[in-house]
Amino acid sequence: DAKTTQPPSMDCAEGRAANLPCNHSTISGNEYVYWYRQIHSQGPQYIIHGLKNNETNEMASLIITEDRKSSTLILPHATLRDTAVYYCIVRTLNRDDKIIFGKGTRLHILP
Amino acid sequence: DAMVIQNPRYQVTQFGKPVTLSCSQTLNHNVMYWYQQKSSQAPKLLFHYYDKDFNNEADTPDNFQSRRPNTSFCFLDIRSPGLGDAAMYLCATSRDRGSRYNEQFFGPGTRLTVL
Repeated sequence: DAKTTQPPSMDCAEGRAANLPCNHSTISGNEYVYWYRQIHSQGPQYIIHGLKNNETNEMASLIITEDRKSSTLILPHATLRDTAVYYCIVRTLNRDDKIIFGKGTRLHILP
Repeated sequence: DAMVIQNPRYQVTQFGKPVTLSCSQTLNHNVMYWYQQKSSQAPKLLFHYYDKDFNNEADTPDNFQSRRPNTSFCFLDIRSPGLGDAAMYLCATSRDRGSRYNEQFFGPGTRLTVL
């Protein structure tokens, strides 16, 4: 079972920041938070991951709370091409690691 | 560009007729994965290869088999497709497991229809 809880859907206006929340209250100390997204009819795409510090790359920012029980993915200037299902995933980096996808958040970017 | 390629993108088969889906990668990654994604559901891991070592998920039906003849190619064989096997099949690769190189790169998927 997925270890994360996400809202099933969200809307965001084009050009605004999209903030996607994720709860992972049972996360362990050695587990990372990963985000993937899946645009319609495509395979999932890696976005970003982090352990406890906030992370930023060219696609997004990841804010992890101090207690690590929740996180927020931020798309700073959402475009129509960001419409997708966003998956928040908790993973270890041990050899038995695998991705278990939850239901994700369907993000609609509104023109 | 280095990538994960799946052929065909769309496959139609008949109930009970064996079908093979293929995946190739130019990333030279050690690990290759197969996922099944049914309509409006999240992807579900079927199995993966770490190099030549096959790792099956406990709940993957015996009807699903896989082959990896070399580093670049991996095949998904469905021995007797049923109507419930209609889905998108996703192939993914990662450089390694159990390390910071376990980011997975996905192919575009093959959509299987069973008539």
